[in-house]
Amino acid sequence: DADVTQTPRNRITKTGKRIMLECSQTKGHDRMYWYRQDPGLGLQLIYYSFDVKDINKGEISDGYSVSRQAQAKFSLSLESAIPNQTALYFCATRDRDTDTQYFGPGTRLTVL
Amino acid sequence: AQKVTQAQTEISVVEKEDVTLDCVYETRDTTYYLFWYKQPPSGELVFLIRRNSFDEQNEISGRYSWNFQKSTSSFNFTITASQVVDSAVYFCALSEEYNTDKLIFGTGTRLQVFP
Repeated sequence: DADVTQTPRNRITKTGKRIMLECSQTKGHDRMYWYRQDPGLGLQLIYYSFDVKDINKGEISDGYSVSRQAQAKFSLSLESAIPNQTALYFCATRDRDTDTQYFGPGTRLTVL
Repeated sequence: AQKVTQAQTEISVVEKEDVTLDCVYETRDTTYYLFWYKQPPSGELVFLIRRNSFDEQNEISGRYSWNFQKSTSSFNFTITASQVVDSAVYFCALSEEYNTDKLIFGTGTRLQVFP
């Protein structure tokens, strides 16, 4: 089984809808991250979390919110989706010993 | 400021050719970490290698090798005897010792290996 899982893998929604993307991990890492990837670009950090009580904004947090329900779960919400939030979204965890981030399979979100 | 530059947007080779993907980075920190990730057509991001700034030894893993040169701020990735399965977008990334939560990605190099 994959160490970092994301649901759904694909989602098409309409402008103005609320969307939640979920991430679960079995790696036992404290730190979790949400990124978005736009075509032809690298990844941009949206939010990250050190533990359930510690949430931090990344480079592009506007229009997004997150919830860290448990060490293993970190969800990303779009309160009112807009078309320019169409992107590939990745969840990641970080190994504190090696400072290496491990990514989930991604969620492809399309906002019409 | 921190920055990662992958100047090669796209590279096409024929199977069995060797190919090198370039990565140039900028940082003011003396302690930092460099990474390569592979994104195959299926979309996931696969971790390939991590290197810290104090370890300039080159590394070889099968057909993959990495050349880290601090003097030129480069961390290049070579695939020897490329295969069609190597077709993917490859990302180089940087994190710094005092801000390891911020992983700075290059824009990626798309490698297409033709049979």
